[in-house]
Amino acid sequence: KAGVTQTPRYLIKTRGQQVTLSCSPISGHRSVSWYQQTPGQGLQFLFEYFSETQRNKGNFPGRFSGRQFSNSRSEMNVSTLELGDSALYLCASSSEPNQPQHFGDGTRLSIL
Amino acid sequence: KNEVEQSPQNLTAQEGEFITINCSYSVGISALHWLQQHPGGGIVSLFMLSSGKKKHGRLIATINIQEKHSSLHITASHPRDSAVYICAVPAGGATNKLIFGTGTLLAVQP
Repeated sequence: KAGVTQTPRYLIKTRGQQVTLSCSPISGHRSVSWYQQTPGQGLQFLFEYFSETQRNKGNFPGRFSGRQFSNSRSEMNVSTLELGDSALYLCASSSEPNQPQHFGDGTRLSIL
Repeated sequence: KNEVEQSPQNLTAQEGEFITINCSYSVGISALHWLQQHPGGGIVSLFMLSSGKKKHGRLIATINIQEKHSSLHITASHPRDSAVYICAVPAGGATNKLIFGTGTLLAVQP
């Protein structure tokens, strides 16, 4: 069974641009969560989606948004990028909420 | 006070040693996760436990719900165990929203 796939693996953007990150969950998993990891703040929860519905949102500004498609694939978008958005963005999937989560390798986003 | 606290923050051990990493939390939880992160970023879920003890190979996780405390033990440690170990708890209810500890950086020297 293929694991969680995140694309792209690395991304370099400049301030003010926007970016879209993609996550394909494990086949059959309907729950997808996104996390941000930075050296200063550690791991922080961004969003959780289940069956195309956002169930939870972390404490991030409205520039961070996401969605889930009918095939459970998910995307997150960050608009008007700031230097502080430089981070490793991780996606995780599970069969349903409150079950073990399987993480992707992450997308490392660098803002210049 | 952070909701999830880990100790120690850094740990250096010699190959073969028995290792213990501790996690304390202040919120009521249904389960606790132990995660492993190697350099380069990938995270692996080691355990999700709600009571007692779980074992997988040389790794053992225990939890005491009443004391709000969990431990991760590594027996016969090996350099390949070198990684960051992170405990995390659900924010509450049927959710995948996790609150993370700050992690324990483990280095096992040959």
